[in-house]
Amino acid sequence: EAQVTQNPRYLITVTGKKLTVTCSQNMNHEYMSWYRQDPGLGLRQIYYSMNVEVTDKGDVPEGYKVSRKEKRNFPLILESPSPNQTSLYFCASSWGAGFYEQYFGPGTRLTVT
Amino acid sequence: AQSVTQPDIHITVSEGASLELRCNYSYGATPYLFWYVQSPGQGLQLLLKYFSGDTLVQGIKGFEAEFKRSQSSFNLRKPSVHWSDAAEYFCAVGSSAGGTSYGKLTFGQGTILTVHP
Repeated sequence: EAQVTQNPRYLITVTGKKLTVTCSQNMNHEYMSWYRQDPGLGLRQIYYSMNVEVTDKGDVPEGYKVSRKEKRNFPLILESPSPNQTSLYFCASSWGAGFYEQYFGPGTRLTVT
Repeated sequence: AQSVTQPDIHITVSEGASLELRCNYSYGATPYLFWYVQSPGQGLQLLLKYFSGDTLVQGIKGFEAEFKRSQSSFNLRKPSVHWSDAAEYFCAVGSSAGGTSYGKLTFGQGTILTVHP
């Protein structure tokens, strides 16, 4: 089944404790992206990747890191999480940027205390 | 910088009534425009998209949207709403090829649709 998977689905952590949210897609998509969703703000793009080893900042990259060493994986790294990073995070992938449909993962709900 | 505004945070309609969700965008060139739907507890699903050609585009689940360049709008419509359409709807604008921000996708704040029986 074609899908985007994220792990973990739920995470509660403390301020400053490094964490990684994994994202994997099995559709051989070149483009991958991370978003955070907050009430009243919609989805905001954190980082995106046009292909392996090619990443770029979205609208809200501060406090996040990403890497794209393999085509299928695009982990989101929070080196020192803070409470303002409490949010619902979505990973998405598509054949390319621009006009292509993005396929979204199920989301990761992160709480930083 | 590109931006999207969905003026209506929450809309309530009766089942069987018509629906129009508003979306206004800001982008310097011809944008890629999308409508996505998010059912409770789910990820997002594409309803329809537009880049060029016929300004009235058809999507899944009986939805359509009309691109109006003069008004910078891309409003979503459905002639008769079903209870299963209750969800949150997001309009989005994507950067076109050749620009420095190609790959960026900007979403609106979302419109929550409630359907009364």
